[in-house]
Amino acid sequence: GENVEQHPSTLSVQEGDSAVIKCTYSDSASNYFPWYKQELGKRPQLIIDIRSNVGEKKDQRIAVTLNKTAKHFSLHITETQPEDSAVYFCAALFSGGYNKLIFGAGTRLAVHP
Amino acid sequence: NAGVTQTPKFQVLKTGQSMTLQCAQDMNHNSMYWYRQDPGMGLRLIYYSASEGTTDKGEVPNGYNVSRLNKREFSLRLESAAPSQTSVYFCASSGQTGDGEAFFGQGTRLTVV
Repeated sequence: GENVEQHPSTLSVQEGDSAVIKCTYSDSASNYFPWYKQELGKRPQLIIDIRSNVGEKKDQRIAVTLNKTAKHFSLHITETQPEDSAVYFCAALFSGGYNKLIFGAGTRLAVHP
Repeated sequence: NAGVTQTPKFQVLKTGQSMTLQCAQDMNHNSMYWYRQDPGMGLRLIYYSASEGTTDKGEVPNGYNVSRLNKREFSLRLESAAPSQTSVYFCASSGQTGDGEAFFGQGTRLTVV
């Protein structure tokens, strides 16, 4: 069945360091891969997404890479700041006539000053 | 625009009671989703609706039913609540074909005692 695995489950970095979160997905037909950030007590919000016709996408300090052959994608945050502390979720859209958005289990990122 | 409106925000049920969580979106989205969020388990898909008139099971559908009342509204019903259904529930919607940003409601914190 459709599945998204996310690693690590927790990540602790010093302010200014980089953080990398990795995800793998099960269905080679998936073509849309978003990343969400959830702050404590709030709803998830989209921070960046990538489609299967693109290998990399950047938005300021955030970048996402996609390897369709290996069925994995990664989130890279550079120059981390304390306000980056949150839970991050990757997701994959399993289509093929329907739209099923499946999330990974999440990564709790802590950025220490 | 209100985006995705979800009610109620909090609810306490006794085991065996029933209730319906309401969700409405005003963005003319085709796809709507119900997720539950438990600590360490991310966002798990309960049911989804790719378009008005269709609903499909997600990863954890047991104990739940849904209704896509019209394009705007997608409700989640617990017929006989169990303590295992204690969770935070999120409704979400996304665009015409599903491969776009998913917008989340504010969440419902449900406790079953």
